[in-house]
Amino acid sequence: QVQLKESGPGLVQPSQTLSLTCTVSGFSLTSYSVHWVRQHSGKSLEWMGRMWSDGDTSYNSAFTSRLSISRDTSKSQVFLKMNSLQTEDTGTYYCARNFWGYWGQGVMVTVSS
Amino acid sequence: DVVLTQTPPTLSATIGQSVSISCRSSQSLLHSNGNTYLNWLLQRPGQPPQLLIYLVSRLESGVPNRFSGSGSGTDFTLKISGVEAEDLGVYYCVQSTHAPYTFGAGTKLELK
Repeated sequence: QVQLKESGPGLVQPSQTLSLTCTVSGFSLTSYSVHWVRQHSGKSLEWMGRMWSDGDTSYNSAFTSRLSISRDTSKSQVFLKMNSLQTEDTGTYYCARNFWGYWGQGVMVTVSS
Repeated sequence: DVVLTQTPPTLSATIGQSVSISCRSSQSLLHSNGNTYLNWLLQRPGQPPQLLIYLVSRLESGVPNRFSGSGSGTDFTLKISGVEAEDLGVYYCVQSTHAPYTFGAGTKLELK
């Protein structure tokens, strides 16, 4: 069955880089897009970017200068890297398959020294 | 960016009551390919969002048919015909017609 699972550090220091991995199963990354979405505690959802099935990427301009999304199709993994982290980047990060039908459980990231 | 305005922000309902949630877009969500990429999600406490409705009115597989979606252009509605206890949580509309994709602020459904 279709599954997505996020992994990465729970704590990141300010100004450092966040690296997250979304490992998928039950579908091919060359057939479906994968999104990254962030949620601040108790708040709504924020679209960060997308890895298209053809390997292209799209980003929310709110993150463009510091966000990078890549993938390794042989490992069925999509990666998120975001630099210059600040405390306001604290939240839960989700990966989700297009068209929002499947989500990972999310990984909570705290930015703090 | 497209702004999705959801109303009401909070909804109190009794079991069995029918309720509706509105999602209004700051611009038309009709894509040039003829599709309208407006979906509805439910997020239960401590859980990731779950897809209920896609392309305005299509029921996701496994979702009870008490959920229905309607609308066009900039005005959309999610209706629950007979609330059940498992329906409690926060409902979001999301649009994927225009990048950056955007979510509504959410409507919290709680028991009266």
